[in-house]
Amino acid sequence: KAGVTQTPRYLIKTRGQQVTLSCSPISGHRSVSWYQQTPGQGLQFLFEYFSETQRNKGNFPGRFSGRQFSNSRSEMNVSTLELGDSALYLCASSPQGLAGGYEQYFGPGTRLTVT
Amino acid sequence: GESVGLHLPTLSVQEGDNSIINCAYSNSASDYFIWYKQESGKGPQFIIDIRSNMDKRQGQRVTVLLNKTVKHLSLQIAATQPGDSAVYFCAERYQGAQKLVFGQGTRLTINP
Repeated sequence: KAGVTQTPRYLIKTRGQQVTLSCSPISGHRSVSWYQQTPGQGLQFLFEYFSETQRNKGNFPGRFSGRQFSNSRSEMNVSTLELGDSALYLCASSPQGLAGGYEQYFGPGTRLTVT
Repeated sequence: GESVGLHLPTLSVQEGDNSIINCAYSNSASDYFIWYKQESGKGPQFIIDIRSNMDKRQGQRVTVLLNKTVKHLSLQIAATQPGDSAVYFCAERYQGAQKLVFGQGTRLTINP
């Protein structure tokens, strides 16, 4: 079974631009979560989608948004990019999400650099 | 590969020795815990999990111990191998929540 895939793997943007990252979960998985990873803050939860609905949200500004499609693929968008948004953005999928206690399977991440 | 943390605690062990990685979690109401391994350039990889109604769980070469009294979690790796070199994260789920809260991580390096 193919793992979680994320595109693109690397991205360079300038301040003020917006960016869209994509995640394809493992086939059959309905939950997709997004995390931001930085050296200073570590891994921080952004949001989780389940069956096209945002089920939980972390403490990030409204510039960070996401959506999930009927095939469970998910996108996250960051508008008006700031230098501090430079990070590794990780997507994780699971069959039912954390409500069922299932482990999450992470993708390789998208490295976003904002200049 | 990407750096996952510039100032992580580091544990160095000899190849073949046992490793113990510790984690203090934050919420006494957390009911589910996971250990992840992250190698350079990759996303975190699930190692083992444990629920709060257990105090020990064993996998292949790994054991997780949970001490709820002091909110402490540990990961024991038996007969450490070069491929075990990575950053290890503990994560907790607050009871009823749909998200994981991750610790800062520990970098494990293996000396030949």
